[in-house]
Amino acid sequence: AQSVTQLGSHVSVSEGALVLLRCNYSSSVPPYLFWYVQYPNQGLQLLLKYTSAATLVKGINGFEAEFKKSETSFHLTKPSAHMSDAAEYFCAVSDAGQGGKLIFGQGTELSVKP
Amino acid sequence: GAVVSQHPSWVICKSGTSVKIECRSLDFQATTMFWYRQFPKQSLMLMATSNEGSKATYEQGVEKDKFLINHASLTLSTLTVTSAHPEDSSFYICSARDRASGSMGTDTQYFGPGTRLTVL
Repeated sequence: AQSVTQLGSHVSVSEGALVLLRCNYSSSVPPYLFWYVQYPNQGLQLLLKYTSAATLVKGINGFEAEFKKSETSFHLTKPSAHMSDAAEYFCAVSDAGQGGKLIFGQGTELSVKP
Repeated sequence: GAVVSQHPSWVICKSGTSVKIECRSLDFQATTMFWYRQFPKQSLMLMATSNEGSKATYEQGVEKDKFLINHASLTLSTLTVTSAHPEDSSFYICSARDRASGSMGTDTQYFGPGTRLTVL
């Protein structure tokens, strides 16, 4: 069975600092991996996705993630945090064999201090 | 593009009543839609997968007679919470899969803004 683990339920950074949100996955087949962001009382917005093309994936709002098979990781980074980045971030894995269902991690709340 | 809407955005109802939530893909056809439930400060829990023109597939532990799902067209799926009780109060989110040329797993799910249900 596939699973996703996000290390750290809460991450706090200063404005302008590096953002690093960790995600590790478990999958018996080549995974398709996604990062979504959720602002309070809203749905999820896709940041980026990995679908076995380039291992370094660039997304919206300056975020990027690197797929590392040897480490079973797909960490999300942004060089310089903005106040507007404060939100909940979810890593998810999808399996074509399951009809494209997404399995979500527990989520990481990002706080940005001025 | 790839916009998903939900209606209503919030609803308050009395215990024992039924509530219908609509999920629409506005600018693409979605043969598959998903319904999630989210409790405060928690992740999304998949409730069911809705395929156009067929019965929904429910996840283990989800009561299909309580959470009725209908996917009558390529742009609309509905979730009806029947005989709602306070424990059904939650944030319900739908997503629609935009069918890309690749395999199912690579298709992106686009999420609606969610519906806050409060049962008194």
